[in-house]
Amino acid sequence: NAGVTQTPKFQVLKTGQSMTLQCAQDMNHNSMYWYRQDPGMGLRLIYYSASEGTTDKGEVPNGYNVSRLNKREFSLRLESAAPSQTSVYFCASNVGWTDTQYFGPGTRLTVL
Amino acid sequence: AQSVTQLDSQVPVFEEAPVELRCNYSSSVSVYLFWYVQYPNQGLQLLLKYLSGSTLVKSINGFEAEFNKSQTSFHLRKPSVHISDTAEYFCAVSDGGATNKLIFGTGTLLAVQP
Repeated sequence: NAGVTQTPKFQVLKTGQSMTLQCAQDMNHNSMYWYRQDPGMGLRLIYYSASEGTTDKGEVPNGYNVSRLNKREFSLRLESAAPSQTSVYFCASNVGWTDTQYFGPGTRLTVL
Repeated sequence: AQSVTQLDSQVPVFEEAPVELRCNYSSSVSVYLFWYVQYPNQGLQLLLKYLSGSTLVKSINGFEAEFNKSQTSFHLRKPSVHISDTAEYFCAVSDGGATNKLIFGTGTLLAVQP
């Protein structure tokens, strides 16, 4: 099992550009999550998907959109990148509420 | 609303010394508590969790945490640390439910020195 995979690992964008961060899990998990990690702020939930076909906003959804493409894949899109979106982005997944969340290796995004 | 407080942003400690990383939470409902560890340039990994039952929970690498409802705390301890324990440690709280949304603390960097 690869677990949770994320692409790309690194990305540099200019202000106003768009991009999609990809996440996939091979553990047959129902729920998937997108977080951003910023120094001194811990991890903050952007969006989550409790099950295939559903998505909901987390703590900091502004400027992002998501797609739960199927049970395995959950993508995060930045339509018009801003410097405030410079961060490390983590995808995670789990079976249900008592289950551990498994994290991907992260995508380091810089917006100039 | 739930929240998690990790007052110490960094804890320096010498190898083989004991350590305690503090975590306090606020919640008006039943809570489920987690400690995650992040090694440099990696994602987070679960270290241990409290869901119910015994208030003392242990990890396979010697860490333990005790759920204290009256003090709303879930401090992480290890009696003797190793260089390899150097990492950032995050406390998190969930109120359960279908999505297990986690609220994370700001993290504590454990810096073990020889």
